[in-house]
Amino acid sequence: GQNIDQPTEMTATEGAIVQINCTYQTSGFNGLFWYQQHAGEAPTFLSYNVLDGLEEKGRFSSFLSRSKGYSYLLLKELQMKDSASYLCAVTLDMEYGNKLVFGAGTILRVKS
Amino acid sequence: NAGVTQTPKFRILKIGQSMTLQCAQDMNHNYMYWYRQDPGMGLKLIYYSVGAGITDKGEVPNGYNVSRSTTEDFPLRLELAAPSQTSVYFCASSLVAGGLNEQFFGPGTRLTVL
Repeated sequence: GQNIDQPTEMTATEGAIVQINCTYQTSGFNGLFWYQQHAGEAPTFLSYNVLDGLEEKGRFSSFLSRSKGYSYLLLKELQMKDSASYLCAVTLDMEYGNKLVFGAGTILRVKS
Repeated sequence: NAGVTQTPKFRILKIGQSMTLQCAQDMNHNYMYWYRQDPGMGLKLIYYSVGAGITDKGEVPNGYNVSRSTTEDFPLRLELAAPSQTSVYFCASSLVAGGLNEQFFGPGTRLTVL
């Protein structure tokens, strides 16, 4: 089966750096997405990793190690608006195309 | 572009009632998806479609049906609503299947079955 694990909740201080980890055990792995979801809203795309290494995008970076089944999302210079749920999703092959399998999400609370 | 739109935003159903959740996208995406999200959980794939006339089951298809008669529309049908179907339903679409298959999500439909 497919298994994706993330911490349930994290708390960090405004201006700090936080790392949200994601581990996965899946078959047919194609790549890994991170989505941000504010309470009561739809998920929005943050980053995508298909090769090992770090992808940087402004204050947000995402890392992938395919051999270890491990990824993390790094958020720098935290702002209050970064309080949200962060969803790790693995893209897997299907009969037609591929699909996303989501973890349960990590709720990040940023405090002043 | 409106992106992905969903109607209704909220709905309360009685057990045994039926309804259709509407989803439309104006980005000419081939792939469309229906997910449900229960409180504190990730999104679970209900059904997906790779183009007009082609649909397939996801992880949790029981109690639902879909159709895809046009590229733009992908309605989700609940035939006999049950309390276990109380959830938030998200529709999503994407342009391609492989590579960067970024999915764009609609605003969601919050469904309560009593």
